[in-house]
Amino acid sequence: GQNIDQPTEMTATEGAIVQINCTYQTSGFNGLFWYQQHAGEAPTFLSYNVLDGLEEKGRFSSFLSRSKGYSYLLLKELQMKDSASYLCAASNQAGTALIFGKGTTLSVSS
Amino acid sequence: DVKVTQSSRYLVKRTGEKVFLECVQDMDHENMFWYRQDPGLGLRLIYFSYDVKMKEKGDIPEGYSVSREKKERFSLILESASTNQTSMYLCASLSRNQPQHFGDGTRLSIL
Repeated sequence: GQNIDQPTEMTATEGAIVQINCTYQTSGFNGLFWYQQHAGEAPTFLSYNVLDGLEEKGRFSSFLSRSKGYSYLLLKELQMKDSASYLCAASNQAGTALIFGKGTTLSVSS
Repeated sequence: DVKVTQSSRYLVKRTGEKVFLECVQDMDHENMFWYRQDPGLGLRLIYFSYDVKMKEKGDIPEGYSVSREKKERFSLILESASTNQTSMYLCASLSRNQPQHFGDGTRLSIL
């Protein structure tokens, strides 16, 4: 079967670092996406990992281990505006569809 | 920049009505998707399409149908709206091995 697991909720304080984990089991796999979704808005694209390793983009980094079926999103120097839901999504073998996790709601407090 | 446009941000309809949700993308993407999103349930795929005239059922197609007469337009149809179809509906499109882009969403209330 196909399954994407990520924690339901996380909390952190401003300026801190937080890591959101995601494990996936899919029948075919091409790459791993992370999306950010603020309340009442549509998801927006954050990162895409195809190869193993760490991809860094400003305060956000994403890691992938294909052999372990594992990814994480690392957020540094947290700001209040980072309070949002973070969705992990695995791409199918053909790269034509995504399977989404249920999302991790991150609350950043001062 | 990719633009996915949904026809309405907010919509209120009555039980039993036939409801049309329209989605248009401007990047010539082959693949288009309709999801609904409910608290605690995440994004659930209703229908998707790989090409004009093509449609495939997602995880929760019951009570819905779709139409893709032109490549840029993917319509979701609620044949006879029911209160349990009150939800946020999100349209998305993607080109192979590229990020999926979402529309702003339609918050649909069925009374």
